[in-house]
Amino acid sequence: DAGITQSPRHKVTETGTPVTLRCHQTENHRYMYWYRQDPGHGLRLIHYSYGVKDTDKGEVSDGYSVSRSKTEDFLLTLESATSSQTSVYFCAIRTSGEGSPLHFGNGTRLTVT
Amino acid sequence: SQQGEEDPQALSIQEGENATMNCSYKTSINNLQWYRQNSGRGLVHLILIRSNEREKHSGRLRVTLDTSKKSSSLLITASRAADTASYFCATDGGATGANSKLTFGKGITLSVRP
Repeated sequence: DAGITQSPRHKVTETGTPVTLRCHQTENHRYMYWYRQDPGHGLRLIHYSYGVKDTDKGEVSDGYSVSRSKTEDFLLTLESATSSQTSVYFCAIRTSGEGSPLHFGNGTRLTVT
Repeated sequence: SQQGEEDPQALSIQEGENATMNCSYKTSINNLQWYRQNSGRGLVHLILIRSNEREKHSGRLRVTLDTSKKSSSLLITASRAADTASYFCATDGGATGANSKLTFGKGITLSVRP
């Protein structure tokens, strides 16, 4: 267990509202990632972080922002949620060096109505 | 865009049979990884094969990599009902530092009938 906690596990929100998802790790690993998983698309990278205050965009970053003010927390914010952002969101960390496997949290199921 | 594409999309076999899943990718890689996902859970890493390796084993898992064909296969021998899950391949493009990230395929749903 790489000590990853995602919160909340489930959330239902209305279109146009801001939403923040949290990923917390207990082991101070440098690399953290946010993916979304949708039927027919697999996992797609939203944003990632390679250190405190160091973040970059993935392939589906539009409509999302991230922050990492502490090593252990990586926050994903939907500024104004849309129905197309209904998805399961996974946080992952890399516990070893570049190219090493990822360890995933158990996901947040977000429904935007 | 997806880097890895798994084939088939779904596979149903009888317990005790072998399951073979394939993954093709488009650009050069540093390594290729296979993951498993049980329903309602996060992905779990199974095995990693580097670009200079051709075959790797881990328990009942056997992975092959053919860089000339840009393809990999995952073989699960003597399958069990508990192997029922979705399986994903992921490629690491070899980028270093800030650009170190994995690209996942769409996944294969494996059902093992008892």
